[in-house]
Amino acid sequence: NAGVTQTPKFQVLKTGQSMTLQCAQDMNHEYMSWYRQDPGMGLRLIHYSVGAGITDQGEVPNGYNVSRSTTEDFPLRLLSAAPSQTSVYFCASSSDRGYGYTFGSGTRLTVV
Amino acid sequence: EDQVTQSPEALRLQEGESSSLNCSYTVSGLRGLFWYRQDPGKGPEFLFTLYSAGEEKEKERLKATLTKKESFLHITAPKPEDSATYLCAVQVLKETSGSRLTFGEGTQLTVNP
Repeated sequence: NAGVTQTPKFQVLKTGQSMTLQCAQDMNHEYMSWYRQDPGMGLRLIHYSVGAGITDQGEVPNGYNVSRSTTEDFPLRLLSAAPSQTSVYFCASSSDRGYGYTFGSGTRLTVV
Repeated sequence: EDQVTQSPEALRLQEGESSSLNCSYTVSGLRGLFWYRQDPGKGPEFLFTLYSAGEEKEKERLKATLTKKESFLHITAPKPEDSATYLCAVQVLKETSGSRLTFGEGTQLTVNP
């Protein structure tokens, strides 16, 4: 049982480049979210989805896009990378909004 | 605005020395309060969900409790392998917010042998 799988684990981008962080879950969870974790600021919600075809913005959505075409996948796209987007990104999923989320192992992104 | 504050920021214990971590929250309507454990370089690992004041949950040496304003994570006779950052998060009742969680900054626990 793989749970939540994130790829890549590490990435270095140049300012202005775009990329997609991948997230896949094999638990048939409806709820999926993307968080970023920065020192002194905790985990902050970027975007979330309550089912295939349904997404919404979180606390810090600027510079990021998401889509949810299938239940399993929830990719996060960085449109034009900036140094302020240097962070650790976590994807998480849950079967119901009142249940605990299962987190992936994270993607450490550095923008130079 | 929903707020979650965890204290202390860091805590050092000797093996076997029991203590408590605090999570105070201000929300418009609480759906649930979550505790997670995070090891360095890894994603948060779910521990507990508490839904109403007075509720308690236990797992091995950990016990989580909830009041209307705060939650405590009690650690009884900790071992070095309990060393980690413990995160608290709240989920609110607003329908428009769906399933979003608001996290505190965490308490970094170190248990020395």
